[in-house]
Amino acid sequence: DAGVIQSPRHEVTEMGQEVTLRCKPISGHDYLFWYRQTMMRGLELLIYFNNNVPIDDSGMPEDRFSAKMPNASFSTLKIQPSEPRDSAVYFCASSLGTGDQPQHFGDGTRLSIL
Amino acid sequence: SQKIEQNSEALNIQEGKTATLTCNYTNYSPAYLQWYRQDPGRGPVFLLLIRENEKEKRKERLKVTFDTTLKQSLFHITASQPADSATYLCALANTGGFKTIFGAGTRLFVKA
Repeated sequence: DAGVIQSPRHEVTEMGQEVTLRCKPISGHDYLFWYRQTMMRGLELLIYFNNNVPIDDSGMPEDRFSAKMPNASFSTLKIQPSEPRDSAVYFCASSLGTGDQPQHFGDGTRLSIL
Repeated sequence: SQKIEQNSEALNIQEGKTATLTCNYTNYSPAYLQWYRQDPGRGPVFLLLIRENEKEKRKERLKVTFDTTLKQSLFHITASQPADSATYLCALANTGGFKTIFGAGTRLFVKA
């Protein structure tokens, strides 16, 4: 059974460019999460969806960040315009629920903004 | 605000010994506590979940304890092996729309 699939694995781009990260969750999982991981701040939840609907986006840093989930098998996280401080590893995870359900993570997108 | 603390310093132990990792939390009453393993360049992988009404949970060489009075969880790996070397993250979780919160993780090195 395929796990959570993220693309691209690595992205290097210049400041000011638009960046789009993609995620395909595990089939049948109703919840999808976007996280950002840095050495300084660890793993931070940016936003999560339930049945394709955004539930909590309080972790989204600012208006430059947006996330969509047009259907149950695809989600995007977009940064426009990108800044060097956005450099981090971005993870997508999916689960059957919250609380007592484990989250299944993809292998992340390592983003470098020059 | 809610806070999770894990040992920031790496833990170095000899193969065959028991590794014990600590997770302390404040300003939170989680119904569940989860432990994940993360290898370099990979996403976290779920290991174990323990509920607030459970004191201890075991899975093969892994054991987790959960003390809601002390607000602490201990994660043990018995008969440790070099392959256990990784970063281990604890996470606090709840139902009712609460976010899962992850600790920064503790790096474990097991020497042969």
